Amino acid sequence: DADVTQTPRNRITKTGKRIMLECSQTKGHDRMYWYRQDPGLGLRLIYYSFDVKDINKGEISDGYSVSRQAQAKFSLSLESAIPNQTALYFCATSDSTTGQVSSYNEQFFGPGTRLTVL
Amino acid sequence: AQKITQTQPGMFVQEKEAVTLDCTYDTSDQSYGLFWYKQPSSGEMIFLIYQGSYDEQNATEGRYSLNFQKARKSANLVISASQLGDSAMYFCAMRNRGATNKLIFGTGTLLAVQP
Repeated sequence: DADVTQTPRNRITKTGKRIMLECSQTKGHDRMYWYRQDPGLGLRLIYYSFDVKDINKGEISDGYSVSRQAQAKFSLSLESAIPNQTALYFCATSDSTTGQVSSYNEQFFGPGTRLTVL
Repeated sequence: AQKITQTQPGMFVQEKEAVTLDCTYDTSDQSYGLFWYKQPSSGEMIFLIYQGSYDEQNATEGRYSLNFQKARKSANLVISASQLGDSAMYFCAMRNRGATNKLIFGTGTLLAVQP
């Protein structure tokens, strides 16, 4: 079974619709992240969460909101979808960073959700 | 500001040959971590290799090695004996300042391995 799962895997929606992307993990990690990937831009951080009560904005949070329902679940919502939110969305998890920033602490990515807003 | 630069949008390599994918980074921090991820056409992100800023040895993982030149702020990925399955997008990423484990990604290099 996959350690980090995302649902749905593909979604087509219309402008103005509300949509939720869900992420679940079985790795027992406390930190979870949402990224979006656009062609030619790499991955950019939308939101991240250190635990259920700790939610933080990333570099491109406008137009998005998140909910950390439990340690294992982190949802991303588009309240009113617009076409330029068409992208590939990734959820990722990691353990707490111990020691220095330079210590190894890999992020594990889900399979991605391909969202198209018409 | 912290930044990752990958200047090669796309590259070709012959099967069984070695290839180097370039990555330069910009940071004023002394302590940081550098990662390489592979993204095949199926879309998932696969972790390949990690280099810590205090690591004295270049990281290696099987056919992957990281040519870390700290003074030049470069962290190039070397893939030896390329295989057709290596055809994918490759991303360099840096853990940003602080203990948040946020990653900053480059724009990626698309590698095509030719038979």
